[in-house]
Amino acid sequence: GAVVSQHPSRVICKSGTSVKIECRSLDFQATTMFWYRQFPKQSLMLMATSNEGSKATYEQGVEKDKFLINHASLTLSTLTVTSAHPEDSSFYICSAREDSDGYTFGSGTRLTVV
Amino acid sequence: GDSVTQMEGPVTLSEEAFLTINCTYTATGYPSLFWYVQYPGEGLQLLLKATKADDKGSNKGFEATYRKETTSFHLEKGSVQVSDSAVYFCALSFYDYKLSFGAGTTVTVRA
Repeated sequence: GAVVSQHPSRVICKSGTSVKIECRSLDFQATTMFWYRQFPKQSLMLMATSNEGSKATYEQGVEKDKFLINHASLTLSTLTVTSAHPEDSSFYICSAREDSDGYTFGSGTRLTVV
Repeated sequence: GDSVTQMEGPVTLSEEAFLTINCTYTATGYPSLFWYVQYPGEGLQLLLKATKADDKGSNKGFEATYRKETTSFHLEKGSVQVSDSAVYFCALSFYDYKLSFGAGTTVTVRA
């Protein structure tokens, strides 16, 4: 089946630095990818929709200057958390949509800002 | 707006017990409905889905039927195993492909 590879799986960074998370569709082309944030023991919150070759669409309340999304190719989307602070610590998950109305999720990235 | 409501957990069961997780939705129109499962420290995996009324999704012994009249998509399994311990999410989507998730239900199965 379809596979979405997300890296890194865990990252610890210092406050004020930036962190990039990659999401790759390995065996299919994904014109649309989604980025979610999950707080402990809570549901997934959609942050933004990433479209290949165009600007991402951010959900209300998500700072687009803090969470930079780039979807430069049909198989790669990146999320950069800029000037990270401890409150940005969370579990980030990407998802890619296949043409068949199926969604495949990455394995997630645990970000800890110290 | 569109939303999904799941029964609150956590749910604790013994092996071979019957599992039901209730899910209802509020939406304008007829969305596609999904159940996703998340094992500890991992991303989400699609468990099953249904795209129109009366469709039944099934996988790994789990079943859910799209009920338009009750706007529900309850998840059931007749005999759970320890390996079914996970968090289960009900979700819906429309043509814009955005998934709206329920709060998730944590299920723990004891041997």
